[in-house]
Amino acid sequence: DAGITQSPRYKITETGRQVTLMCHQTWSHSYMFWYRQDLGHGLRLIYYSAAADITDKGEVPDGYVVSRSKTENFPLTLESATRSQTSVYFCATNGGTDTQYFGPGTRLTVL
Amino acid sequence: AQSVTQLGSHVSVSEGALVLLRCNYSSSVPPYLFWYVQYPNQGLQLLLKYTTGATLVKGINGFEAEFKKSETSFHLTKPSAHMSDAAEYFCAVIPGGYQKVTFGTGTKLQVIP
Repeated sequence: DAGITQSPRYKITETGRQVTLMCHQTWSHSYMFWYRQDLGHGLRLIYYSAAADITDKGEVPDGYVVSRSKTENFPLTLESATRSQTSVYFCATNGGTDTQYFGPGTRLTVL
Repeated sequence: AQSVTQLGSHVSVSEGALVLLRCNYSSSVPPYLFWYVQYPNQGLQLLLKYTTGATLVKGINGFEAEFKKSETSFHLTKPSAHMSDAAEYFCAVIPGGYQKVTFGTGTKLQVIP
């Protein structure tokens, strides 16, 4: 039972490039979330999705785009990466309860 | 809007000593409260949660937390620290019934042998 996976686990890119982070779940949970984790800020919500084709902004959505054509996938795209987007990104799901289940994270460095 | 404040970004305790990690929240409606733990290079995992009912909740690995409405607190405790408890701990709140979670900034626990 894979649960929730993220790819890649590590990514180095350059300023201005487009980057897509993948998130895949095997549970068919309705809700999916993207967070970024930065020192001193804890986890901040970027975007979330209540179901396929339903997405909404979180606390820090600028510079990010999401889509959810299938329940199990929730990719996060940085359209033109900036150094301030260097962070650790976590995907999470919620299956209708109050508990979130987190993926292992993607460490992104923007040079 | 809800918010979470964790007092102390770093806490050090000796092995065998009491662990106390502090969390205060604000919420305009009765909250659901959580503690998550993050080990190095891993995602967060649920330690314990309070939704309704008994205000003292027990979680995994011997941790517990008490919801005190009058103090708007949800402090995490463990009677005796173990080396394996070294991790970062996050307090979180959901205003009851909503899915969006607000996390605190985290407290890194160091356990000294």
